Amino acid sequence: GESVGLHLPTLSVQEGDNSIINCAYSNSASDYFIWYKQESGKGPQFIIDIRSNMDKRQGQRVTVLLNKTVKHLSLQIAATQPGDSAVYFCADFTRGGGSEKLVFGKGTKLTVNP
Amino acid sequence: GAGVSQSPSNKVTEKGKDVELRCDPISGHTALYWYRQRLGQGLEFLIYFQGNSAPDKSGLPSDRFSAERTGESVSTLTIQRTQQEDSAVYLCASSFIQGLLNTEAFFGQGTRLTVV
Repeated sequence: GESVGLHLPTLSVQEGDNSIINCAYSNSASDYFIWYKQESGKGPQFIIDIRSNMDKRQGQRVTVLLNKTVKHLSLQIAATQPGDSAVYFCADFTRGGGSEKLVFGKGTKLTVNP
Repeated sequence: GAGVSQSPSNKVTEKGKDVELRCDPISGHTALYWYRQRLGQGLEFLIYFQGNSAPDKSGLPSDRFSAERTGESVSTLTIQRTQQEDSAVYLCASSFIQGLLNTEAFFGQGTRLTVV
């Protein structure tokens, strides 16, 4: 069945370093991917998205890379700040066959050390 | 409102009682999702509504769980005969989907359900 998984459950970085959070997905029919950030006690917040016809998309301090050959997605955060500490989820959207759903991975907890 | 609104924000209920959780999506959003998040865990898909299509209920864990949505507005998630294992944060999200066009899902703050 479809699944979206993460390689590492926790990541600890120093303030100012770059962070890379990885995600693997299994459904080759997925056509839209989203990264969310969830701070303690809050709902997930959208960070950046990418469609399957792209392999890279940049935002403010964040870059998402999509490798469809190996079904891998990554989120890069430049110059990581203490405010970036949160749990990051990738989500995979698949349509077709009468069903559309947004499936989330288990999350990676990012800790930024001052 | 400007965002997805969920109520109540916190609910404590006794085991065996029924609870109803409410979600007000962003106006104009055609799609609505419910997820369950246990402490320290990821988001577990429960149910998905899109326009007038039949909902995708494949994630509902048991027949004690049900959800309704009125048109493209309010949704309620009902849990009957609650059990302690139902304790979790229940998150609602909405997005706009039309044909091949879809936007990201926006989340509410969730309802924290505690069954004692």
